[in-house]
Amino acid sequence: GENVEQHPSTLSVQEGDSAVIKCTYSDSASNYFPWYKQELGKRPQLIIDIRSNVGEKKDQRIAVTLNKTAKHFSLHITETQPEDSAVYFCAAKRAGNQFYFGTGTSLTVIP
Amino acid sequence: NAGVTQTPKFQVLKTGQSMTLQCAQDMNHEYMSWYRQDPGMGLRLIHYSVGAGITDQGEVPNGYNVSRSTTEDFPLRLLSAAPSQTSVYFCASSPRVNYGYTFGSGTRLTVV
Repeated sequence: GENVEQHPSTLSVQEGDSAVIKCTYSDSASNYFPWYKQELGKRPQLIIDIRSNVGEKKDQRIAVTLNKTAKHFSLHITETQPEDSAVYFCAAKRAGNQFYFGTGTSLTVIP
Repeated sequence: NAGVTQTPKFQVLKTGQSMTLQCAQDMNHEYMSWYRQDPGMGLRLIHYSVGAGITDQGEVPNGYNVSRSTTEDFPLRLLSAAPSQTSVYFCASSPRVNYGYTFGSGTRLTVV
């Protein structure tokens, strides 16, 4: 099966600083990599995704990069705000639209 | 659209009892999955479906059954509840391959 590792497990940054979360995956056939944000007591929500034919994707303050050769991808959040505080999950998609998730990163943005 | 609807939101079971967690989506999505979420372990795939009549096992399928008789519904059955099945369960759906899942609001299950 797919094995997705995510680091760090916790991350604290000052408001306005950048945050970077990194994930690695094991199955070279994986070709789609979404990121989810989960606020306390809520459901995970998709915030950005990247497909294997793209190296980088940006959406306002959020960007994701993918290195297929090294089998790792990263989430970058710039100009962090207190409302960015949440748990972030990366995922990798195998055949049949099976998604395998990392163990999550708890991000705290300190005002 | 209601999106992905899960019922119940909370449930307490005794060891050995069985029950069904309901999941329905009104977006005509082909792909549906069940995940369990435990502290420090992220979201783990239990079962998934690529369309009506087709289901398959994920990484933690033992103790659970699913069926997909219609596009809309994807119930998860616990056959004989065990304390290790205490968790938050999420159902999710996706319209096509290489597209993110929309999650339901979750069911918090406690087995005593």
